Amino acid sequence: GENVEQHPSTLSVQEGDSAVIKCTYSDSASNYFPWYKQELGKRPQLIIDIRSNVGEKKDQRIAVTLNKTAKHFSLHITETQPEDSAVYFCAASQAGTALIFGKGTTLSVSS
Amino acid sequence: GAVVSQHPSWVICKSGTSVKIECRSLDFQATTMFWYRQFPKQSLMLMATSNEGSKATYEQGVEKDKFLINHASLTLSTLTVTSAHPEDSSFYICSASDSSSYGYTFGSGTRLTVV
Repeated sequence: GENVEQHPSTLSVQEGDSAVIKCTYSDSASNYFPWYKQELGKRPQLIIDIRSNVGEKKDQRIAVTLNKTAKHFSLHITETQPEDSAVYFCAASQAGTALIFGKGTTLSVSS
Repeated sequence: GAVVSQHPSWVICKSGTSVKIECRSLDFQATTMFWYRQFPKQSLMLMATSNEGSKATYEQGVEKDKFLINHASLTLSTLTVTSAHPEDSSFYICSASDSSSYGYTFGSGTRLTVV
């Protein structure tokens, strides 16, 4: 089955800096790669996703890149703000099958 | 957008009792429901996958007789934790898919505390 590795587990940046979180996956059949932000005790919130037919997607300060050959994808947050502080999870799946999550990254943005 | 209503949001039960968690898709047909468990400061771990009208498929290490899943309709799936013990205390969350797209809709989660 699918296995998703996520690094780093914790990330501390200064406000305004960029943050990068990286994930690798094992199942070459996976074709959907979402990123979630989760606040304590709440449901995961989808922030951006990418499908295997594109290499990069951007939404304002957030971007995701995908390298299918290497089986890794990354989340890029630019101009970080204190409200970006949260736990971020990457995940991988094929359409209609279960999302398999990475172990999460705790991002702390200090002002 | 798609909404999944999950109840209860939190529950405290005594050791040895059973607890039922419900997830309802309000505006779409959830052909597949995924159940996850999340311990504090950990990731979401897939427990089982259920398709409407079929028996659930459980992940390795998840006791099917302890975590009973029912998906009798396209809008309702339930997870019953039987004979709960303190180690079952966790955050349980469902995620629904209509299988026709990449959309996954999460419930709001249930915080279970077994005392």
